Order: sequence, then structure tokens, then C-alpha cells
Amino acid sequence: QVQLQESGPGLVKPSETLSLICDVSDYSISSGYYWGWIRQPPGKGLEWIGSIHHSGSSYYNSSLKSRVTISVDTSKNQFSLKLSSVTAADTGVYYCARPRQNSDKACFAYWGQGTLVTVSS
Amino acid sequence: QSVVTQPPSASGAPGQRVTISCSGSSSNIGGHTVNWYQQLPGTAPRLLIHSHNQRHSGVPDRFSGSKSGTSASLAISGLQSEDEADYFCAAWDDILNGYVFGTGTRVTVL
Repeated sequence: QVQLQESGPGLVKPSETLSLICDVSDYSISSGYYWGWIRQPPGKGLEWIGSIHHSGSSYYNSSLKSRVTISVDTSKNQFSLKLSSVTAADTGVYYCARPRQNSDKACFAYWGQGTLVTVSS
Repeated sequence: QSVVTQPPSASGAPGQRVTISCSGSSSNIGGHTVNWYQQLPGTAPRLLIHSHNQRHSGVPDRFSGSKSGTSASLAISGLQSEDEADYFCAAWDDILNGYVFGTGTRVTVL
């Protein structure tokens, strides 16, 4: 079954851009599905960041939309997250995930283990 | 703050039944399928229930979901120590045009 693994810097300075990659294995991104990012501040709840289809169709959390870019690289079978102008409020665990069905934009059945990103100078 | 609200905590003794509520509006729970996730301490969330009341593969039948109007519920029967976790409901929201998670409920097994 599909496996996902996040990677990227664990420490980002305020005002800089947070960049993460999700490597997908045992499934080809170009075969379909939306691919999503979700985050969780320390001790708090889950927040959906956005979802993207390999075709380019995408949906973003309206509260983050001006700062977020999610893209797909089918040649590397990975998708990425960029969040600009970060502040301490962007600190948290970032998860990449895939929905249960090809037609779902969310309803995430497969998750990466998550990666902690701390925003601090 | 989320547009979908849950009680912050719930508890029960082993073997008891615990119910968690999830309250939204016509733009999310009232108009879309509801999903439930379980998050054990220090781990990624796990999909428990999709489409209001369908258990995801491998989920014990002790877990059940329901929906009525703009609210949904997750019931855990025969509560076990390994059920101690955070539980989140979620649904698509037409006004936000995005996926919204509930505020989360921590279940404690007494």
C-alpha cells in the first residue's frame, strides 16, 4: 500500500519560507488521487493546509492561501509544500497524506509520520 | 478556531460506551460526508470512519459513526485502554471551499 514520508528543515527563521517534500512510494502520483498537507501546532488540533491533484487542480485553506504553494513533481513521485513569511504560529508537525478514494479531495486514509518544523531565530 | 466543534474531553471506564459529538452547519456536516480520525499520543492520525458511518479497513466494530442534520457522533463501545486518544471529526465545507477538522476530543479511559 502507498507510503508517504515528509522531509525538510526542522528549523526555519521568522519571515522565511518553510519548504517540505513528501516522497510517495508504492503508488505513482501520476495515476491519480489528490495529495494533501495537514499541520498540527504543539498541543493543538489538526489544520488542513491544502490538496493538489497531479493534473494541477488544487484547493487551499483560505486562511493560508496567500502564503501557500503546493506542487507535484511526477518525475520524482513527490509533492511539496511551501509556506512563505512564516511566524512562530506556523510551528508544528506537518503531515502529508492521501485520501481514501480517487474522487476524494480529503478524507485522508494514508498519512506520513509527520515532521516537526519550528519557526525561531 | 474551527467552524466544527467538539467537546474537549470525554471519559469512561473500561467496557463502557463513550459518545463524542461533532457540531457544524449546513455548509459542512449538514451537506457533506463526515469522517472521524483517531490520534494516539505521538503518532499520525488514523482514519476510523468515513461517509458518516463506514468503518475504514481494519477498524474494530466497537467504533461506530452517525449523523443527523448538522451534527455527527462517534461511539466507542466496550471501551479499552488502547482507545485513549484524541478524536477528530472532519468534513468538506462549501463556504470555505476546504476541509475542516473539528476541535478534537480527548478520550480518557478511567
